Amino acid sequence: QKEVEQDPGPLSVPEGAIVSLNCTYSNSAFQYFMWYRQYSRKGPELLMYTYSSGNKEDGRFTAQVDKSSKYISLFIRDSQPSDSATYLCAMSETGNQFYFGTGTSLTVIP
Amino acid sequence: DAGITQSPRHKVTETGTPVTLRCHQTENHRYMYWYRQDPGHGLRLIHYSYGVKDTDKGEVSDGYSVSRSKTEDFLLTLESATSSQTSVYFCAISKLAGGTDTQYFGPGTRLTVL
Repeated sequence: QKEVEQDPGPLSVPEGAIVSLNCTYSNSAFQYFMWYRQYSRKGPELLMYTYSSGNKEDGRFTAQVDKSSKYISLFIRDSQPSDSATYLCAMSETGNQFYFGTGTSLTVIP
Repeated sequence: DAGITQSPRHKVTETGTPVTLRCHQTENHRYMYWYRQDPGHGLRLIHYSYGVKDTDKGEVSDGYSVSRSKTEDFLLTLESATSSQTSVYFCAISKLAGGTDTQYFGPGTRLTVL
């Protein structure tokens, strides 16, 4: 069983939709949680990070962590064509070694 | 932008040849990482470094070695490249942001082993 599971998609939504991206994990000691956005042929770009449980909001993006269910989510409101990318979740126990999901491919259709 | 560059950006080589990839950072971060990214596997840690001459293995270290003789440079070497090492290689640094350690990635090196 992988440390981190992420549905690869692909996910296709109309412009303006609310997008929900999710990851599950098996290691209850994980306490650092990240979301990255990766455009084609580029390096991953840090989007959101949270420590421990709870919600964090940044503009159109909201990250949620539910440690009791070992489940994290990223919500994108008012999705735009420029949001079309692959989204990777990542998590760590210590903040030094991170485990990544395989990524979810998102396309926002104008 | 975390000031990370990787070289070369693209390389095609033949099975059995040695290959060295370079990661350079400009901000003196202590932790540096090498990942490979493959379809269906995501990003997997190869090796990481927590200081000059201090390195440790990651999840997929077989066939790879690393060296860090200066804070700013982290080298990844494939001693004898195999076709299974065809991949995109990313270097990353760990940086404190808002009280949390987060990882920032370089632009990647696309390696093809024929």
